[in-house]
Amino acid sequence: DAKTTQPTSMDCAEGRAANLPCNHSTISGNEYVYWYRQIHSQGPQYIIHGLKNNETNEMASLIITEDRKSSTLILPHATLRDTAVYYCIVRVGNTGFQKLVFGTGTRLLVSP
Amino acid sequence: GAVVSQHPSWVICKSGTSVKIECRSLDFQATTMFWYRQFPKKSLMLMATSNEGSKATYEQGVEKDKFLINHASLTLSTLTVTSAHPEDSSFYICSARGVGTSNQPQHFGDGTRLSIL
Repeated sequence: DAKTTQPTSMDCAEGRAANLPCNHSTISGNEYVYWYRQIHSQGPQYIIHGLKNNETNEMASLIITEDRKSSTLILPHATLRDTAVYYCIVRVGNTGFQKLVFGTGTRLLVSP
Repeated sequence: GAVVSQHPSWVICKSGTSVKIECRSLDFQATTMFWYRQFPKKSLMLMATSNEGSKATYEQGVEKDKFLINHASLTLSTLTVTSAHPEDSSFYICSARGVGTSNQPQHFGDGTRLSIL
C-alpha cells in the first residue's frame, strides 16, 4: 500500500511556480522519497528523489521538512507540457527488494 | 541516460492467443525489473518483480501462470500474457533499476497498450 498522501488535483498558471505537497508521516529513517510524473498515455518519468536534504536538478527542486514527514516538489516555471499526474512515492521493502508502489497522485493542470 | 525501451507499443489480438511484451534497458544493466499494469484513469498497479536469473515475485492476486515473466539477462525482461481474454486488455508498463546502491531510481518504459478482441 502507498504510504503517501497527495491532493487529488492542482491548478497552476503557465510561468508560475507549481508547488506540489506530499505527506509521508510514517516514513522510516532510511527511506527515500521519490517523485515521478506521468503524462497521458506514457510511462512514468523520474523527476527527483531525496533522503533528508533538499535536492535540485534541471527539472525540479525537492524540499523535505526537517522531521521528514512531508515534502514539496517545486517546478519553478511551469509550462503547459508540465501538465501531468505527479506521484510522490516512498519505496517499500527491505534493501535489495525494494519496489515502487504508486498511490493516486496529484493531477496538475497548467493553464495559459 | 537510463533509457528503458518497451516493445511493442501497442498490440491488438484475438481472444485466446498469447502475447509477449519485451522490456530492454538500453544503456544500463538492470538487476531488477518490474511489471505494472494500468487501467484507464487509474494508478499503476505493480504486478511482479523480477531479478536477473531468478524467478519473478508476483504481487498478491496476480496469476503467475497467466502472466509469465522471464528475466534472462541484465538488459531484457519479457512478459507473456497467456491465453489472453478481453479482461486482460490494459496498459502494461515495465520498469528497471540498475546495478548499484539500493536508492537508485527506477526508470520506466513507455508502456504497451494491449487490446484483446
